[in-house]
Amino acid sequence: DQQVKQNSPSLSVQEGRISILNCDYTNSMFDYFLWYKKYPAEGPTFLISISSIKDKNEDGRFTVFLNKSAKHLSLHIVPSQPGDSAVYFCAASVAGGFKTIFGAGTRLFVKA
Amino acid sequence: DAGVIQSPRHEVTEMGQEVTLRCKPISGHNSLFWYRQTMMRGLELLIYFNNNVPIDDSGMPEDRFSAKMPNASFSTLKIQPSEPRDSAVYFCASSLGRTGGDGYTFGSGTRLTVV
Repeated sequence: DQQVKQNSPSLSVQEGRISILNCDYTNSMFDYFLWYKKYPAEGPTFLISISSIKDKNEDGRFTVFLNKSAKHLSLHIVPSQPGDSAVYFCAASVAGGFKTIFGAGTRLFVKA
Repeated sequence: DAGVIQSPRHEVTEMGQEVTLRCKPISGHNSLFWYRQTMMRGLELLIYFNNNVPIDDSGMPEDRFSAKMPNASFSTLKIQPSEPRDSAVYFCASSLGRTGGDGYTFGSGTRLTVV
C-alpha cells in the first residue's frame, strides 16, 4: 500500500519556465511533508518541507503547496534551471514518530 | 562533519555470497535508517534504529536480511545469502530525534550488484 504517490515518473521543462511536481498521499495522519532532490550517484538531499498546518512554504525559487482536503501537495520551481535536473522525492511523516515514507520519485529534465 | 559515510560505494558479488554494507551516521544523530532504491519501488524503508535499538524492521524483505547497530557510530546491513533480485542501491540516513520538518541526511549509497 503506497501511502505517498508520485504518479509522474518524469517531467521535461524549458529553462526559465516553471516546473511543477505533484504528490498525493493517503494517510490523513501525516504532519510533515518533505521534498528531497537526488543527483545520480549521490544520496537524496533535503530540499524543503511543509507542516500540515500550513498551505504554503517558500524558499527562494522553491515553493511547496499543500491541499489537505485533496491530500495533495506540489513543488514549484521558478525559474527552472538546468542544474535543477534531478530526481525529486516527495515524503511524509507523522510528528513524533520515527520514520518517513517516500514516494517513487519524479525525474525532472530542465532543457537549456 | 563529513556527513553520513557508507562503504563500499559499489559491490559486485556472486549469488549465494554474503554481503555486508556499512554506515557511519553523523555524530550526535540518534536515529539511523536503511533504505533501498529500486526502479520499481522507489525508496523503501528497510529498518530503522533509535539510540542503537531497532524500532521497526517490518520493511526487511526476508530473513536473509539483517541489520545491527552495535554503537552510535556504526551500523551494518547484511544479506546472506545474496540473490540477483537484491541488486539495488542501498542508502543509510541519519537524523536527530524524531520526525519533523528538518529531514534526514543521506549517505551516498552502496550500489549492489548480485550476479
